[in-house]
Amino acid sequence: QVQLVESGGRVVQPGGSLRLSCAASGFIFNHYGMHWVRQVPGKGLEWLTFIRYDGTKSYYIDSVRGRFTISRDDSKNTVYLEMKSLRREDTAVYFCARGPCSGGTCFSGYWGLGTLVTVSS
Amino acid sequence: QVVLTQSPTASASLGASVKLTCTLSSGHSTYSIAWHKHQPGKGPRYLMKLDSDGSHINGDGIPDRFSGSSSGAERYLTISRLQSDDEADYYCQTWGTGTWIFGGGTKLTVL
Repeated sequence: QVQLVESGGRVVQPGGSLRLSCAASGFIFNHYGMHWVRQVPGKGLEWLTFIRYDGTKSYYIDSVRGRFTISRDDSKNTVYLEMKSLRREDTAVYFCARGPCSGGTCFSGYWGLGTLVTVSS
Repeated sequence: QVVLTQSPTASASLGASVKLTCTLSSGHSTYSIAWHKHQPGKGPRYLMKLDSDGSHINGDGIPDRFSGSSSGAERYLTISRLQSDDEADYYCQTWGTGTWIFGGGTKLTVL
């Protein structure tokens, strides 16, 4: 079955950096684009970034563009989120997610369990 | 930019049905959406993709107690035969160019 497992979350100081990983299994990884989404405590889901199935293009929400970088390693079935210049307001649970559609065929989307990033001194 | 609007809260009784609403902003009434369920401390769960004509495909393992429908700019999620485990936040989401846009979520309480 499809699994997405995030890791790398921890406490980091303001201005610091962190790399999150999301290991995927149960589907043909290089057929799907991948997303990162976060939930700040007490708030709703906030989409952050997306990388195309072939890695040729990525998209970001304005608040993280220039600070966060999404990448993928298809040999490891893993998508990464490199975060720099972290701010207290980046404190959140970070989820990776896969959309339901590939090549015009849609079935189901999937989410990971999330990893907690706390930005605090 | 498309905006999705959801009522912040909803409630219904155990065993009853509830219909949650997601409204697409003006000029975006043909957009497809997805519904997601999120319980505290868990990862979100994809429920379905819902098109403007009301056709929907439930996600992996999602029972047919969960169904979708559409009318104009409104997208609905109906949950039948409510169970206690249905108590959760429900988010609608649509697609931009390479982006996802979420509604603010509806917190469903099962009485």
